[in-house]
Amino acid sequence: AQSVTQPDIHITVSEGASLELRCNYSYGATPYLFWYVQSPGQGLQLLLKYFSGDTLVQGIKGFEAEFKRSQSSFNLRKPSVHWSDAAEYFCAVGASNQFYFGTGTSLTVIP
Amino acid sequence: NAGVTQTPKFQVLKTGQSMTLQCAQDMNHEYMSWYRQDPGMGLRLIHYSVGAGITDQGEVPNGYNVSRSTTEDFPLRLLSAAPSQTSVYFCASSYSRGERGETQYFGPGTRLLVL
Repeated sequence: AQSVTQPDIHITVSEGASLELRCNYSYGATPYLFWYVQSPGQGLQLLLKYFSGDTLVQGIKGFEAEFKRSQSSFNLRKPSVHWSDAAEYFCAVGASNQFYFGTGTSLTVIP
Repeated sequence: NAGVTQTPKFQVLKTGQSMTLQCAQDMNHEYMSWYRQDPGMGLRLIHYSVGAGITDQGEVPNGYNVSRSTTEDFPLRLLSAAPSQTSVYFCASSYSRGERGETQYFGPGTRLLVL
């Protein structure tokens, strides 16, 4: 069965520090992988997605993610976090007729 | 383009009442879905549709009903509201289903409180 795991429920980082959010998936075939961001009281916005080719994917707002098939991971990174990055982040996999989401990681940014 | 729109933004219901959450998209997307978001549980799929006239159940369909008479609209009906249905509901659409890697576009959400 398909599933997505985000092991970190909540992460706190200082502004300017680097960030890595973890995502592991379970899927039998080559997955389509997504990272979405949700600001408070808002819907979800796509940050980036992987569907083939280069395993390092660039997204909006300075985010990137690396697909590692051997580890079944698709971790999200940003070299320098801004206060406006405080939000909820969701990893998702597109499989069959559905999209499967992780439980989310809440990011707090300390000034 | 308005994208994905949802109405109402907020609703309070009494137990046993019924209501319909509206969702519309103007991007000619074939795939539409409804999720509920609860603390610590992420987004859980309620129902989805791969085209007009075709719907199917997701992970948590009980207590909800959907129909897809047009490409644009995908309403979600609560048949008899229960406190367990207090949640934030998101509608989403995409050109195609999950296995084709299409991006989903989300509406702003409907916050539902069932007393």
